[in-house]
Amino acid sequence: GAVVSQHPSRVICKSGTSVKIECRSLDFQATTMFWYRQFPKQSLMLMATSNEGSKATYEQGVEKDKFLINHASLTLSTLTVTSAHPEDSSFYICSALGGAYMNTEAFFGQGTRLTVV
Amino acid sequence: GEDVEQSLFLSVREGDSSVINCTYTDSSSTYLYWYKQEPGAGLQLLTYIFSNMDMKQDQRLTVLLNKKDKHLSLRIADTQTGDSAIYFCAGGPWGGGNKLTFGTGTQLKVEL
Repeated sequence: GAVVSQHPSRVICKSGTSVKIECRSLDFQATTMFWYRQFPKQSLMLMATSNEGSKATYEQGVEKDKFLINHASLTLSTLTVTSAHPEDSSFYICSALGGAYMNTEAFFGQGTRLTVV
Repeated sequence: GEDVEQSLFLSVREGDSSVINCTYTDSSSTYLYWYKQEPGAGLQLLTYIFSNMDMKQDQRLTVLLNKKDKHLSLRIADTQTGDSAIYFCAGGPWGGGNKLTFGTGTQLKVEL
């Protein structure tokens, strides 16, 4: 299968600062990328869907001004958590769909554990 | 929205069978998936079942779907230490990713 790399795998930041998480498709062109969030002992929840070159579509209840998503190229999408607060501490994971895998499956990154102190 | 529930933890002995269960509320999912996540790695698609099927077998993996009870299970035969991971069930349209609703994940621990 294809490889999706997510960076960083863990990050600790101070309250009020911003954190950027990168999601890269290493061996295929990802026309669509998805961002999920998982709070402890809860399900992965889809936050937003981003298509290359266009604005992301956010799920209900997800603040687009707080969670900035950029998908400027076919191999990179970024999620920036702006003015992070402790309640934003969570596990964030991306998946990518595209190229030869467009109609089969999305491939997931390894996730980013964000802790806001 | 849909609720998908899994037990959080399962411990089995090497060589035994593991059964991971999942219950869901929304019966409109076209496909139901099982993903595996090893430490430090992304979610890996293990297998999937179309909603009009009752059972699917793939080597050591058997997926059972009871649509009436909205219950999905994954059976791993001859469980090995390399099967230790977190297993997520999910439902949604074909193509993965988009609009998938995930369970909380079940941590499988295989003991010698």
